[in-house]
Amino acid sequence: LAKTTQPISMDSYEGQEVNITCSHNNIATNDYITWYQQFPSQGPRFIIQGYKTKVTNEVASLFIPADRKSSTLSLPRVSLSDTAVYYCLVVSYSSASKIIFGSGTRLSIRP
Amino acid sequence: DTAVSQTPKYLVTQMGNDKSIKCEQNLGHDTMYWYKQDSKKFLKIMFSYNNKELIINETVPNRFSPKSPDKAHLNLHINSLELGDSAVYFCASSQTWEGGPTDTQYFGPGTRLTVL
Repeated sequence: LAKTTQPISMDSYEGQEVNITCSHNNIATNDYITWYQQFPSQGPRFIIQGYKTKVTNEVASLFIPADRKSSTLSLPRVSLSDTAVYYCLVVSYSSASKIIFGSGTRLSIRP
Repeated sequence: DTAVSQTPKYLVTQMGNDKSIKCEQNLGHDTMYWYKQDSKKFLKIMFSYNNKELIINETVPNRFSPKSPDKAHLNLHINSLELGDSAVYFCASSQTWEGGPTDTQYFGPGTRLTVL
């Protein structure tokens, strides 16, 4: 299973765009890139998933370059409520039941 | 309606006791999981069940025994509790275990277990 590396923490301010980059150099052909968000005292919550290029939903965008060895989660115009831990995962299509959470990126948003 | 629910939310107990945590999902999913999140916030999968059958057991001590009476429930029983078992335990479910876009995992609110 591909291992992911992401910054331990990031700080930003309300209204800014935040980009969190994740490295997954050993990603395999069957692997999808998935991001989860975890607020304090809650379980992780799915944000977005992609295979290549760009994916956008109502919460975030996910940019994946052609080599797929990294990905960037983009949160537009963050607010205080976006303060959370963000996990980047690589999930294999054939064995999703064994997903591995890394240490995540602790994002702190300030007024 | 809560999609994935766990009880209890908090559990404080003495070393050596036996305790259970219950999990239920009303999403109609086939696959359920138990995760442990330690004090450093690392989230590690412990077990995965698909249609009541165990498909993953991640080198968890025998003191931990999951039980799935039906595919909507996955309970976790822990014997002879130890200090190191203190953590937050999350239950999750997904539509299948095959991966891809259909297998988003939905997590419960967690059970904070404290062993004294």
